[in-house]
Amino acid sequence: EVLLVESGGGLVQPGGSLRLSCAASGFTFRGFTMHWVRQAPGKGLEYVSGLSFNGVTTHHANSVRGRFTISRDNSKNTLYLQMGSLRVEDMAVYYCARENGYPRYFDLWGRGTLVTVSS
Amino acid sequence: DIQMTQSPSSLSASVGDSVTITCRAGQYIANSLNWYQHKPGKAPKLLISAASTLQSGVPSRFSGSGSGTDFTLTISNLQPEDFATYYCQQTYNTPSTFGQGTTLKIK
Repeated sequence: EVLLVESGGGLVQPGGSLRLSCAASGFTFRGFTMHWVRQAPGKGLEYVSGLSFNGVTTHHANSVRGRFTISRDNSKNTLYLQMGSLRVEDMAVYYCARENGYPRYFDLWGRGTLVTVSS
Repeated sequence: DIQMTQSPSSLSASVGDSVTITCRAGQYIANSLNWYQHKPGKAPKLLISAASTLQSGVPSRFSGSGSGTDFTLTISNLQPEDFATYYCQQTYNTPSTFGQGTTLKIK
């Protein structure tokens, strides 16, 4: 089965750090650019970060640039999001998504992991 | 970043109705426009890519059109399972950006 499963969410204090993981299965992970997208409570989907198939090219939303780092381990079929200097406004469900096609689209999504930022 | 503006932000309709959601890009994006359906607690689902290409397994009552800056998603003959939130997304420029969403509610 083709699947993405996020993990690593939890409660963290403002200013703290957290690392999210996204485990991929059922497809050739190393062949795909991957992304993180989030949804804050009561809000819409917001693009966070993306990473090319070979780990060379990254993209970040302005809201997280300099605080979040995206990485991947193709030997483990896993995408990561290292989040630092967390703010209350970073509280959200974080989804990983697979990019495909041209024009590009996100054709496979996980069910998300919840990050709560609170003191 | 390219701003994506959806309208309306919410919409009430009945089973069997047809509805149209619009999405306007802040600049030219060719046909690099996707539509997603999202239900609470579930993964977002890709419905339409490249403005008008229906994804495999998506019912034909969903259709998309447009190019350049103005796009529409039309759902005909609404079914109970269609009540959800819909998002447009541009992938013309990086970073990708989403519209603010349109919540489709049962009347």
